[in-house]
This record gives sequence, structure tokens and C-alpha cells, in this order.
Amino acid sequence: AQSVTQLGSHVSVSEGALVLLRCNYSSSVPPYLFWYVQYPNQGLQLLLKYTSAATLVKGINGFEAEFKKSETSFHLTKPSAHMSDAAEYFCAVSDPSGGKLIFGQGTELSVKP
Amino acid sequence: DGGITQSPKYLFRKEGQNVTLSCEQNLNHDAMYWYRQDPGQGLRLIYYSQIVNDFQKGDIAEGYSVSREKKESFPLTVTSAQKNPTAFYLCATLDAGQGYGYTFGSGTRLTVV
Repeated sequence: AQSVTQLGSHVSVSEGALVLLRCNYSSSVPPYLFWYVQYPNQGLQLLLKYTSAATLVKGINGFEAEFKKSETSFHLTKPSAHMSDAAEYFCAVSDPSGGKLIFGQGTELSVKP
Repeated sequence: DGGITQSPKYLFRKEGQNVTLSCEQNLNHDAMYWYRQDPGQGLRLIYYSQIVNDFQKGDIAEGYSVSREKKESFPLTVTSAQKNPTAFYLCATLDAGQGYGYTFGSGTRLTVV
């Protein structure tokens, strides 16, 4: 069965520092992978997705993620954190049976001035 | 603009009452989903529907019911059998033509007192 593990429920960085949010997945078939961002009391917004094209995927707001099959990882990075990046981030993998996404537990990112 | 409308944004109900959460979409997406979000538990799938007049249980369907009479609408009823209904509820649609990514509504926060 597909599963997603996000390492670290809370990550804190200083403004201008590198952001690294970790995601590992298990999948029996080549997966589709996603990162979503959620601001308080709002829905989830798609940051980026991997759908078997380029392994380095660029998304909105300066975020990018690299698909590494050998490590079953899809970590999210941003070179320089901004205060507006403070939010909760979810990694997700597609269920091969069709349609459903399996979500990780989420990582809350705090950005210190 | 195309999108998903969840209403109301905030909902308060007394214990023992049934309550229906609305989800309407004009994206022309076939599949719709209901998730429940609790702090530290990520997103858990309640019900989903891939076509009109058909729906399937997710991981936590007990105490909930749905209908899918129209492509645009997928209401969720939280019944009195749901033991702990206070949560943030998210509706999503699936765009199969875009790598199976979800589009989310803005959510409904249900508080049962």
C-alpha cells in the first residue's frame, strides 16, 4: 500500500535561510507526487507535482523538489525563507488504484525574523 | 472563475444534531472527495465519488453520509453517530488530466457543543 512519511512535524528556520522539508514515500509503481501548502483556516494549495517528467520540479513561490527514486524521497526546498512561507506543508502520493491521494501528516514551517 | 465552494465557513451545532456541509464545484471534474483534518493527524479520507450516483467509503466513513445526485455537488452529512465531529472539513476535486492533482475548497470548520 502507498504511504507517505514527512520527517518532522515542526520545522523552524530564520528568514533568509534554506528551507528543507522532508518527504519519503512507498509505492509499488512509479508514483505521482505532490506538495501542498495550507495557510490557517484555508484549503490546500498545490505547490508542485512530479508526474514522471523531469526529476527536479519547480513550483510556485520559489519552491522546488527533487524526485529521487533510489531514496524514495521527494524533499521540498527553497533557498531563502520568507516570513510569508510560514504555513503547513503536506506531501502526497497518488494511489495507483486510481484517483485518491495519500497524504503525509504535515510539517508546520515557522520562519523567525 | 472556476473553483470549489464550501459553505458555510464556520458551523456550530449542538451534540446529537445532524448537519450537512455543502460542496459545489464548477470545474467540470468528475471525482470529488471529502477529507477531515484534525491537528497532528493530517488529512483523512471520509468519502469519495468518481461519477454521479456512485460513491465509496474512505478510511473514516462511520458516522458520515454523502450523496452525488449532480456532477457539481457532493454534500456531506455529519450524523449524530459520529463520536467526535468537531474538525475542519475539506472538499476536493480531481483533475485526471493534470497528473491526478487535487483542487481543494477553502474548508468548513465544524464545532459541536
